[in-house]
Formats: sequence, C-alpha cells, structure tokens
Amino acid sequence: GENVEQHPSTLSVQEGDSAVIKCTYSDSASNYFPWYKQELGKRPQLIIDIRSNVGEKKDQRIAVTLNKTAKHFSLHITETQPEDSAVYFCAARYTGTASKLTFGTGTRLQVTL
Amino acid sequence: DVKVTQSSRYLVKRTGEKVFLECVQDMDHENMFWYRQDPGLGLRLIYFSYDVKMKEKGDIPEGYSVSREKKERFSLILESASTNQTSMYLCASSLSPILAGVREQFFGPGTRLTVL
Repeated sequence: GENVEQHPSTLSVQEGDSAVIKCTYSDSASNYFPWYKQELGKRPQLIIDIRSNVGEKKDQRIAVTLNKTAKHFSLHITETQPEDSAVYFCAARYTGTASKLTFGTGTRLQVTL
Repeated sequence: DVKVTQSSRYLVKRTGEKVFLECVQDMDHENMFWYRQDPGLGLRLIYFSYDVKMKEKGDIPEGYSVSREKKERFSLILESASTNQTSMYLCASSLSPILAGVREQFFGPGTRLTVL
C-alpha cells in the first residue's frame, strides 16, 4: 500500500516569513495529492490539491509543487500570518483505491509575531 | 454547503462496552470514511464505504466494524471497547471519483472517545 512521510513535525516561523512542508510518497501510481489544514479544535479542511499531470499549483499565498520522479511534494506558504498557525496534513491517493487517501503524520506550524 | 455531522463531540465509555459512533452527511455523497486521529500518527483510515451496504477495510480495521444501511449514514462500531481505542474519531465523505475524478473529502467535527 501507499506510505506517506511528512516533515517536519513542528515548524515555527516569524510572521511574514515563508514556511515549507515536505512529503514523500512510496507508490509511483499515486495521482492526487491534497493538503488539509486543521485549526485547533476544528475539523480538517482542504486548502489546496494537485494532480499528477501538474507540476505546480498556486492559490494566493499558498502553493504546492510536485516532483513525480523523486516522489515528493511540498506545501509553500508565503508571507505567513498568525491565522496560518495550525496542523497541516499532506495525503496521497493511489489510483487503485478509489477515493482512499493515505495521510502524512502532520506538521504543526506556529507563526509567531 | 456540505455538512457532515457526528452524533457526539465527547463520549466516555467503559472497557468492554459496545460503542456506536454515527456520521451523517447531507450532500448525497457516495463515499464515506472513518478515521482515527492520534498525536504524531496523523489520520489513519479504519474503514470506508463507496456505496450503501458496501464497505472496505482501511489500514487499521482491527477491533472495529461498520454499517451503512442508508446512503447518508455511516456508523462505526466498537464491539468491545478497549483503552487503546481512546482517540479522536473523524468521519468524512466525498463524491465518487468515477464520473468526475477524485473529489475533496469533507470532514465531520470529530468525536473524542475516552475508554476507561
């Protein structure tokens, strides 16, 4: 089955700085890679996703890059703000498993003033 | 707006009790999922269902069973609760990928279960 590793487990940045979270996946047949954000006490919510036929996707201050050769993908947050503080999860979908996602272990991002 | 609800936010049960966690979604989604969330372990899939009465094991199905008698409702059952099942349980739903490709999973608010 698919295995997803996520690093770092915690990340602290100053407001205005950039943050990068990296994930690697094991199965080259995976074709969909979403990122979820979970604020304290709340449910995970999708913030951005990328499919295997695209190398990069941006949405305002967040972007995701995908390197299929190396089997890794990254979340980039620019100009971080205190409201970016949350736990971020990456995930990968293996094509043979319908809608099943395998999640990473999460990164706790703290944006300090 | 998609709405996924779970029957309880907090639940305390005793070892050996049978526990039912219920999830309801109101967007006619074909797929429903049950995860457990533990610190440092992320979200781990217990079971999922891609249609009424259909179910498949996820990565950690041991000690759990599920039921999906109606499209909008997906139940997680702990036949005999144990202390190592103390966790946050999250339900999610999504449209089927068959017609329009893989779709976002929408999560419920979670049930924090404590087994004493």
